[in-house]
Amino acid sequence: GAVVSQHPSWVICKSGTSVKIECRSLDFQATTMFWYRQFPKQSLMLMATSNEGSKATYEQGVEKDKFLINHASLTLSTLTVTSAHPEDSSFYICSAREQGARAEAFFGQGTRLTVV
Amino acid sequence: DAKTTQPPSMDCAEGRAANLPCNHSTISGNEYVYWYRQIHSQGPQYIIHGLKNNETNEMASLIITEDRKSSTLILPHATLRDTAVYYCIVRGYSTLTFGKGTMLLVSP
Repeated sequence: GAVVSQHPSWVICKSGTSVKIECRSLDFQATTMFWYRQFPKQSLMLMATSNEGSKATYEQGVEKDKFLINHASLTLSTLTVTSAHPEDSSFYICSAREQGARAEAFFGQGTRLTVV
Repeated sequence: DAKTTQPPSMDCAEGRAANLPCNHSTISGNEYVYWYRQIHSQGPQYIIHGLKNNETNEMASLIITEDRKSSTLILPHATLRDTAVYYCIVRGYSTLTFGKGTMLLVSP
Protein backbone atom coordinates (compact mmCIF):
# COMPACT_ATOMS: atom_id res chain seq x y z
CA GLY A 1 0.00 0.00 0.00
CA ALA A 2 0.89 3.65 -0.16
CA VAL A 3 3.32 5.10 2.35
CA VAL A 4 2.55 7.92 4.74
CA SER A 5 5.43 9.17 6.84
CA GLN A 6 4.89 11.03 10.08
CA HIS A 7 7.58 12.89 11.97
CA PRO A 8 8.59 12.91 14.74
CA SER A 9 7.55 9.54 16.09
CA TRP A 10 7.73 10.87 19.61
CA VAL A 11 8.31 14.24 21.25
CA ILE A 12 8.52 15.58 24.78
CA CYS A 13 7.92 19.26 25.29
CA LYS A 14 7.49 21.68 28.13
CA SER A 15 4.10 23.05 29.04
CA GLY A 16 3.37 26.27 27.18
CA THR A 17 5.53 25.53 24.16
CA SER A 18 4.38 24.60 20.66
CA VAL A 19 5.04 21.39 18.80
CA LYS A 20 4.82 20.77 15.06
CA ILE A 21 4.08 17.33 13.62
CA GLU A 22 4.62 16.61 9.93
CA CYS A 23 2.74 14.17 7.75
CA ARG A 24 3.98 13.32 4.28
CA SER A 25 2.58 11.11 1.55
CA LEU A 26 5.66 9.58 -0.05
CA ASP A 27 4.38 7.94 -3.20
CA PHE A 28 1.06 9.54 -3.98
CA GLN A 29 -0.62 12.91 -3.98
CA ALA A 30 -2.88 13.36 -1.00
CA THR A 31 -5.67 15.74 -1.80
CA THR A 32 -7.16 15.11 1.62
CA MET A 33 -5.41 14.54 4.93
CA PHE A 34 -6.89 13.74 8.30
CA TRP A 35 -5.60 14.19 11.83
CA TYR A 36 -6.65 11.87 14.61
CA ARG A 37 -5.91 11.74 18.31
CA GLN A 38 -5.86 8.61 20.42
CA PHE A 39 -5.77 8.49 24.21
CA PRO A 40 -4.61 5.33 26.02
CA LYS A 41 -6.95 2.36 25.67
CA GLN A 42 -9.30 4.38 23.48
CA SER A 43 -10.06 4.43 19.79
CA LEU A 44 -8.97 7.03 17.27
CA MET A 45 -10.91 10.28 17.33
CA LEU A 46 -10.96 12.46 14.25
CA MET A 47 -9.75 15.98 14.96
CA ALA A 48 -9.85 17.63 11.57
CA THR A 49 -9.92 17.14 7.82
CA SER A 50 -7.83 19.21 5.47
CA ASN A 51 -7.85 19.57 1.72
CA GLU A 52 -4.81 20.87 -0.07
CA GLY A 53 -4.86 24.64 -0.38
CA SER A 54 -7.91 25.24 1.78
CA LYS A 55 -8.69 25.67 5.45
CA ALA A 56 -9.11 22.62 7.62
CA THR A 57 -12.50 21.50 8.84
CA TYR A 58 -12.43 20.77 12.55
CA GLU A 59 -14.61 18.31 14.43
CA GLN A 60 -16.84 19.57 17.17
CA GLY A 61 -14.95 20.26 20.37
CA VAL A 62 -11.53 20.62 18.70
CA GLU A 63 -10.06 24.10 19.11
CA LYS A 64 -8.85 25.35 15.76
CA ASP A 65 -6.65 28.02 17.33
CA LYS A 66 -4.91 25.43 19.47
CA PHE A 67 -4.43 22.78 16.81
CA LEU A 68 -3.19 24.57 13.72
CA ILE A 69 -3.33 22.55 10.53
CA ASN A 70 -1.60 23.48 7.31
CA HIS A 71 -1.95 21.48 4.09
CA ALA A 72 0.15 23.59 1.77
CA SER A 73 1.06 20.91 -0.75
CA LEU A 74 -0.28 17.62 -2.06
CA THR A 75 2.31 15.70 -0.09
CA LEU A 76 2.61 17.55 3.20
CA SER A 77 0.34 18.48 6.05
CA THR A 78 1.41 19.78 9.44
CA LEU A 79 -0.30 19.87 12.81
CA THR A 80 0.96 22.40 15.33
CA VAL A 81 -0.11 22.01 18.93
CA THR A 82 0.16 25.52 20.33
CA SER A 83 0.72 26.34 23.98
CA ALA A 84 0.72 22.66 24.84
CA HIS A 85 -0.52 21.46 28.21
CA PRO A 86 -0.22 18.07 29.90
CA GLU A 87 -3.79 17.20 28.88
CA ASP A 88 -2.67 17.48 25.24
CA SER A 89 -0.39 14.49 25.78
CA SER A 90 -1.66 11.85 23.38
CA PHE A 91 -0.92 9.77 20.30
CA TYR A 92 -1.48 11.87 17.18
CA ILE A 93 -1.98 10.07 13.88
CA CYS A 94 -2.30 11.46 10.39
CA SER A 95 -3.97 9.86 7.42
CA ALA A 96 -3.78 10.68 3.74
CA ARG A 97 -6.07 9.87 0.85
CA GLU A 98 -5.80 10.30 -2.88
CA GLN A 99 -8.43 12.17 -4.82
CA GLY A 100 -11.83 10.53 -4.68
CA ALA A 101 -13.97 9.89 -1.64
CA ARG A 102 -13.78 6.14 -2.24
CA ALA A 103 -9.99 6.00 -2.17
CA GLU A 104 -8.41 4.13 0.70
CA ALA A 105 -6.86 6.17 3.45
CA PHE A 106 -3.36 5.32 4.57
CA PHE A 107 -1.98 6.16 7.98
CA GLY A 108 1.26 7.45 9.35
CA GLN A 109 3.01 5.66 12.17
CA GLY A 110 1.81 8.17 14.74
CA THR A 111 3.47 10.70 17.03
CA ARG A 112 3.55 10.21 20.77
CA LEU A 113 3.38 13.67 22.39
CA THR A 114 4.21 14.05 26.05
CA VAL A 115 3.83 17.49 27.62
CA VAL A 116 5.63 17.92 30.94
CA ASP B 1 -22.23 6.25 8.32
CA ALA B 2 -23.70 3.02 9.60
CA LYS B 3 -22.61 1.82 13.01
CA THR B 4 -20.68 -1.42 13.43
CA THR B 5 -20.62 -3.93 16.28
CA GLN B 6 -17.59 -6.11 16.97
CA PRO B 7 -16.68 -8.41 19.85
CA PRO B 8 -14.22 -6.65 22.17
CA SER B 9 -11.68 -9.45 22.09
CA MET B 10 -10.85 -12.79 20.48
CA ASP B 11 -8.15 -15.38 20.85
CA CYS B 12 -6.58 -17.46 18.12
CA ALA B 13 -3.88 -20.10 18.05
CA GLU B 14 -0.88 -19.45 15.86
CA GLY B 15 -1.25 -21.07 12.46
CA ARG B 16 -5.02 -21.32 12.69
CA ALA B 17 -7.50 -19.17 10.83
CA ALA B 18 -8.78 -16.10 12.64
CA ASN B 19 -12.36 -15.20 11.80
CA LEU B 20 -13.35 -11.73 13.01
CA PRO B 21 -17.07 -10.90 12.79
CA CYS B 22 -18.67 -7.52 12.32
CA ASN B 23 -22.33 -6.55 12.36
CA HIS B 24 -23.48 -3.55 10.34
CA SER B 25 -27.23 -4.04 10.09
CA THR B 26 -27.94 -0.40 9.15
CA ILE B 27 -25.54 -0.30 6.21
CA SER B 28 -26.89 1.54 3.19
CA GLY B 29 -26.46 0.79 -0.47
CA ASN B 30 -23.51 3.08 -1.17
CA GLU B 31 -21.48 2.18 1.90
CA TYR B 32 -18.39 0.01 1.75
CA VAL B 33 -17.04 -2.19 4.51
CA TYR B 34 -13.42 -1.41 5.41
CA TRP B 35 -11.08 -3.28 7.71
CA TYR B 36 -8.05 -1.77 9.36
CA ARG B 37 -5.84 -3.03 12.14
CA GLN B 38 -3.68 -1.25 14.68
CA ILE B 39 -0.69 -2.89 16.24
CA HIS B 40 0.20 -1.41 19.61
CA SER B 41 1.61 2.14 19.39
CA GLN B 42 1.46 2.25 15.60
CA GLY B 43 -0.85 3.88 13.10
CA PRO B 44 -3.70 1.84 11.62
CA GLN B 45 -2.91 -0.39 8.68
CA TYR B 46 -5.35 -0.87 5.81
CA ILE B 47 -6.31 -4.51 5.29
CA ILE B 48 -9.15 -4.82 2.84
CA HIS B 49 -12.49 -3.39 1.80
CA GLY B 50 -15.55 -4.48 -0.14
CA LEU B 51 -19.05 -3.53 -1.20
CA LYS B 52 -21.00 -6.75 -1.64
CA ASN B 53 -18.75 -9.33 -3.24
CA ASN B 54 -16.25 -11.32 -1.26
CA GLU B 55 -12.74 -9.97 -1.54
CA THR B 56 -9.31 -11.49 -1.07
CA ASN B 57 -5.84 -10.04 -1.03
CA GLU B 58 -2.44 -11.07 0.26
CA MET B 59 -3.38 -10.20 3.81
CA ALA B 60 -6.90 -11.46 4.30
CA SER B 61 -10.30 -12.40 2.92
CA LEU B 62 -13.48 -10.46 3.45
CA ILE B 63 -16.78 -12.31 3.41
CA ILE B 64 -19.89 -10.13 3.22
CA THR B 65 -23.31 -11.69 3.72
CA GLU B 66 -25.82 -11.44 0.91
CA ASP B 67 -27.95 -8.95 2.83
CA ARG B 68 -24.76 -6.99 3.65
CA LYS B 69 -25.75 -6.75 7.30
CA SER B 70 -22.63 -8.48 8.51
CA SER B 71 -19.17 -9.45 7.40
CA THR B 72 -16.22 -11.57 8.48
CA LEU B 73 -12.56 -10.84 8.11
CA ILE B 74 -10.51 -13.99 7.73
CA LEU B 75 -6.79 -14.24 8.41
CA PRO B 76 -6.12 -17.70 6.98
CA HIS B 77 -2.98 -18.55 8.97
CA ALA B 78 -2.62 -16.24 11.93
CA THR B 79 0.86 -15.43 13.21
CA LEU B 80 1.98 -13.78 16.42
CA ARG B 81 2.49 -10.56 14.46
CA ASP B 82 -1.20 -10.46 13.68
CA THR B 83 -1.93 -9.58 17.32
CA ALA B 84 -3.63 -6.20 17.03
CA VAL B 85 -6.90 -4.31 17.33
CA TYR B 86 -9.01 -4.89 14.23
CA TYR B 87 -11.46 -2.21 13.18
CA CYS B 88 -14.47 -2.80 10.96
CA ILE B 89 -15.68 0.48 9.47
CA VAL B 90 -18.61 1.21 7.22
CA ARG B 91 -18.06 4.23 5.06
CA GLY B 92 -19.86 6.01 2.29
CA TYR B 93 -18.29 9.23 1.08
CA SER B 94 -17.32 10.55 4.48
CA THR B 95 -14.34 10.07 6.72
CA LEU B 96 -13.30 6.90 8.52
CA THR B 97 -14.92 6.73 11.95
CA PHE B 98 -13.29 4.24 14.27
CA GLY B 99 -15.19 2.21 16.84
CA LYS B 100 -13.61 0.17 19.60
CA GLY B 101 -12.65 -2.74 17.37
CA THR B 102 -11.71 -6.29 18.30
CA MET B 103 -8.50 -7.04 20.15
CA LEU B 104 -7.16 -10.20 18.53
CA LEU B 105 -4.58 -12.08 20.55
CA VAL B 106 -2.66 -14.75 18.67
CA SER B 107 -0.97 -17.20 20.98
CA PRO B 108 1.74 -19.81 20.34
